[in-house]
Amino acid sequence: DAGVIQSPRHEVTEMGQEVTLRCKLISGHNSLFWYRQTMMRGLELLIYFNNNVPIDDSGMPEDRFSAKMPNASFSTLKIQPSEPRDSAVYFCASSLDRVSEAFFGQGTRLTVV
Amino acid sequence: KNEVEQSPQNLTAQEGEFITINCSYSVGISALHWLQQHPGGGIVSLFMLSSGKKKHGRLIATINIQEKHSSLHITASHPRDSAVYICAVRTGNTPLVFGKGTRLSVIA
Repeated sequence: DAGVIQSPRHEVTEMGQEVTLRCKLISGHNSLFWYRQTMMRGLELLIYFNNNVPIDDSGMPEDRFSAKMPNASFSTLKIQPSEPRDSAVYFCASSLDRVSEAFFGQGTRLTVV
Repeated sequence: KNEVEQSPQNLTAQEGEFITINCSYSVGISALHWLQQHPGGGIVSLFMLSSGKKKHGRLIATINIQEKHSSLHITASHPRDSAVYICAVRTGNTPLVFGKGTRLSVIA
């Protein structure tokens, strides 16, 4: 397995534009986590899914952020409209279940100008 | 919510030195993770432990449940160990709560 795959690796967009980040889970993993990393706040959980169902989205900053799992192996994180303060590295991670070791993707570095 | 504190924030060492990174947390946990993030940005899980000690190569992780404290040790450090080391804890089925990380630079 190639591991958790995120795309794009880098994204630069103008304020107000819609941004979609993508994540492919490791085959057989049932839990999916979206994290955001900034210099000021470090790594923060945005949302996590178990068996395609969102379990905890309390970390999602505001309604501009939404995440979906259209199937068991794929997830998207959408920001609409984007703002400069959304600039960060967004990581996706998957695990067999909620308490097993998590495997991280390479991250998407988002810059909103 | 669990508060996770790491020390030091930054650490510079000479190649060959023994290194210790500390992690303290405020609430009893079910598991503690040590993660490594290289300058390229990728995050790798090093250890997941709930008691005692684990060893992998030159890396050793220990945890003291009573004192709510864990340490990550690196023996015979090497420049390729330069990275950010992140401690994260889980309580029950809740998601991981992360420390701010310790930035390690090992100089040849």
